[in-house]
Amino acid sequence: AQSVTQLGSHVSVSEGALVLLRCNYSSSVPPYLFWYVQYPNQGLQLLLKYTSAATLVKGINGFEAEFKKSETSFHLTKPSAHMSDAAEYFCAVKPYSGGYNKLIFGAGTRLAVHP
Amino acid sequence: EAQVTQNPRYLITVTGKKLTVTCSQNMNHEYMSWYRQDPGLGLRQIYYSMNVEVTDKGDVPEGYKVSRKEKRNFPLILESPSPNQTSLYFCASSFRQGGTEAFFGQGTRLTVV
Repeated sequence: AQSVTQLGSHVSVSEGALVLLRCNYSSSVPPYLFWYVQYPNQGLQLLLKYTSAATLVKGINGFEAEFKKSETSFHLTKPSAHMSDAAEYFCAVKPYSGGYNKLIFGAGTRLAVHP
Repeated sequence: EAQVTQNPRYLITVTGKKLTVTCSQNMNHEYMSWYRQDPGLGLRQIYYSMNVEVTDKGDVPEGYKVSRKEKRNFPLILESPSPNQTSLYFCASSFRQGGTEAFFGQGTRLTVV
């Protein structure tokens, strides 16, 4: 079965520091990959997506992610954290076996940003 | 404005009392689905619908029903809610093409006592 693993349920960084949130997927066929962000009491908002074009994907709010097929990874980064980045982040895949419709989510990583 | 609208946002109910959570989208999306979010488990799919009158079970369908009589609406029905269905629920919609992202509603926080 397809799965998504997010390493670290909680990540804490200082304001201005690098943000790195890790995501690994299991899929024999390269899937479509997404990162979503959830702010408190809100729904999920798309940060960025990989759809087999460029392997380095730029998203909103200064975030980017790199698709590495050899490592089955899609880690999310941001060079300099802002206080407003504090939220929960979800990595998700649309595997070929689901007809590329079903989203499978990781467990989420809660990002804390401290002054 | 493109959006997915869920109602209600918050609901407290008693065990066994039937309830419906509504979901409506205005983007003409074919694909709609329901997820529940629980701490440490991420979002898990309950049911999905590929189009009008076409629905199927997701990963955690027990205790839930859905219907898709119109393209824009996809209500979630709990015929006899139990405390283990206390959770945060999200409705999502997307086009059927695989590379398209899903749009999510604001969520419904359900508490069953």
